[in-house]
Amino acid sequence: QSALTQPPSASGSPGQSVTISCTGTSSDVGGYNFVSWYQQHPGKAPKVIIYEVTKRPSGVPDRFSGSKSGHTASLTVSGLQTEDEADYYCSSYAGNNNPVVFGGGTKLTVL
Amino acid sequence: QITLKESGPTLVKPTQTLTLTCTFSGFSLTSSGVTVGWIRQPPGKALEWLALIYWDDGNRYSPSLKSRLTITRDTSRNQVVLTMTNVDPVDTATYYCARRIVMSDYFDYWGQGTLVTVSS
Repeated sequence: QSALTQPPSASGSPGQSVTISCTGTSSDVGGYNFVSWYQQHPGKAPKVIIYEVTKRPSGVPDRFSGSKSGHTASLTVSGLQTEDEADYYCSSYAGNNNPVVFGGGTKLTVL
Repeated sequence: QITLKESGPTLVKPTQTLTLTCTFSGFSLTSSGVTVGWIRQPPGKALEWLALIYWDDGNRYSPSLKSRLTITRDTSRNQVVLTMTNVDPVDTATYYCARRIVMSDYFDYWGQGTLVTVSS
């Protein structure tokens, strides 16, 4: 069982927006602004698309945005494109003795 | 250009010890704030963090696997080695190494991963 809770699936049509949630506790998501999101296409390594809750690495489209409220972080993908179909994982810093926790992943389908 | 690449056996028998090597380039593991971690992913399942090694040779382990893992580094060869003892078929997974910067706490560069199967 993963430390962070994500919905197993999400879907949307091209051009629409979809939001994926990531729920933790005060020991991880709620306690630090170090939430990151990773996109993983089949057979590929994960790629970071959001870090420090809201920041986008260079080269990541601004269609991807992140936010956090309390113990829940969210990833929003606006203007869905077919290439956005992938698995998405959230991760959070969870303290010095357990610095990395991941969510269970969400499979995003672009209908 | 930063790259990381995992290497090791593709097949390991139950109860044996698994040794994986991450060979990296484009950065130094002795630079302040730099860490290298191992993450695994069983087929069709989620990512699971395993271990981190720090620029000062410190380390951290997943609490659930701590008793079975050891992470070390060879700075002269730009390598990080993960050993996992007493493997079981449930340890079958793709194993990734990745760089992580402490001040931002995310994995910014990943290796391609290596699939390890545990089977007799």
